[in-house]
Amino acid sequence: SQTIHQWPATLVQPVGSPLSLECTVEGTSNPNLYWYRQAAGRGLQLLFYSVGIGQISSEVPQNLSASRPQDRQFILSSKKLLLSDSGFYLCAWSALLSSGTEAFFGQGTRLTVV
Amino acid sequence: GESVGLHLPTLSVQEGDNSIINCAYSNSASDYFIWYKQESGKGPQFIIDIRSNMDKRQGQRVTVLLNKTVKHLSLQIAATQPGDSAVYFCAENRGGANNLFFGTGTRLTVIP
Repeated sequence: SQTIHQWPATLVQPVGSPLSLECTVEGTSNPNLYWYRQAAGRGLQLLFYSVGIGQISSEVPQNLSASRPQDRQFILSSKKLLLSDSGFYLCAWSALLSSGTEAFFGQGTRLTVV
Repeated sequence: GESVGLHLPTLSVQEGDNSIINCAYSNSASDYFIWYKQESGKGPQFIIDIRSNMDKRQGQRVTVLLNKTVKHLSLQIAATQPGDSAVYFCAENRGGANNLFFGTGTRLTVIP
């Protein structure tokens, strides 16, 4: 069965520090991978998605970047965190199909920038 | 459209009553829709999906209705239970498998 791992679960970082959140998927090949952000009490915002190694699409301009160094690894990074980067970050995967399919989510990382 | 800047609407229901959660979408090219349930501090979990060639789909205690004419999606939960308390999101796939856009979300509170 497929599983998705996301870590760390919580993170407190000072303003200006770098960020690296990692997400890995097991039990599937060539998944679509996604990073979402959720501010407290808000909806989900799609930040990045990837359809293959080294292929990253950004949905919104921001202080963050994403990379996919391996088929089942998706990394969210920042060189210098801002206070506004605080939020709940969710990684997700979906099967690579020609039509839509459900996405499966990790348990999320709660990032607090202080 | 983007849901990031909007506060979550809320819905309170008595235990045992039926709940109806609504969602509007704007893209007529969207062909696949999903309802997710998100409990506090956790990632969203799949509830039920529907493709645009259908107008109704039923699961266990849940029914999704799709009205393509008015671009409206609803989730009906029968005999709502305290464990149903969560935030519910609709998501649309705007053609192709590379994206999933989420609605604002609705916070459902079940009153015992």
